Amino acid sequence: DGGITQSPKYLFRKEGQNVTLSCEQNLNHDAMYWYRQDPGQGLRLIYYSQIVNDFQKGDIAEGYSVSREKKESFPLTVTSAQKNPTAFYLCASSEPRGETQYFGPGTRLLVL
Amino acid sequence: SQQGEEDPQALSIQEGENATMNCSYKTSINNLQWYRQNSGRGLVHLILIRSNEREKHSGRLRVTLDTSKKSSSLLITASRAADTASYFCATDGGSSYKLIFGSGTRLLVRP
Repeated sequence: DGGITQSPKYLFRKEGQNVTLSCEQNLNHDAMYWYRQDPGQGLRLIYYSQIVNDFQKGDIAEGYSVSREKKESFPLTVTSAQKNPTAFYLCASSEPRGETQYFGPGTRLLVL
Repeated sequence: SQQGEEDPQALSIQEGENATMNCSYKTSINNLQWYRQNSGRGLVHLILIRSNEREKHSGRLRVTLDTSKKSSSLLITASRAADTASYFCATDGGSSYKLIFGSGTRLLVRP
């Protein structure tokens, strides 16, 4: 069953804590993306990766970090520098030309 | 910054009616896509229309693109309660790798 999985579904962060959101895909896609969605809003691009060991900042990268050590995996770390992390985080992947993107189910991050 | 802007922001219709959503964008594009998002879920790709196409159909969906006006519309015919969702347009802004999403239209189809 091919697709993109994200975990956990809900994540709680304490003040000053770094947390990592998982994104795994078995679609054999080269490109992967992380988006942030605030209530009633569209998606904003945080980071994207076109190929293993390479990634670029999106529009709102401050306070976030990523790695791309494996083709299947693109974890996102929300650092303590991100002062307003409460949001819905979506991971996506696509074939190299990046036309159609396939999305995971999302992780909702809440601050305690 | 958001490239696409959907109109209306919210739409409520009766089951069986048609729903029309519009999207405007600012820069030149290679293609424009429409996605659906059910509440609290990921996005699902609906349809892609290229800049050299004017109209495209997929089942009950009809998409039009007017590059001279930098606008697109999504028509859902004979709507069903299951069509209740948010609908987003996304453009590539001329880039091969990044999509720029609008803020979405929230559609409610009343049974």
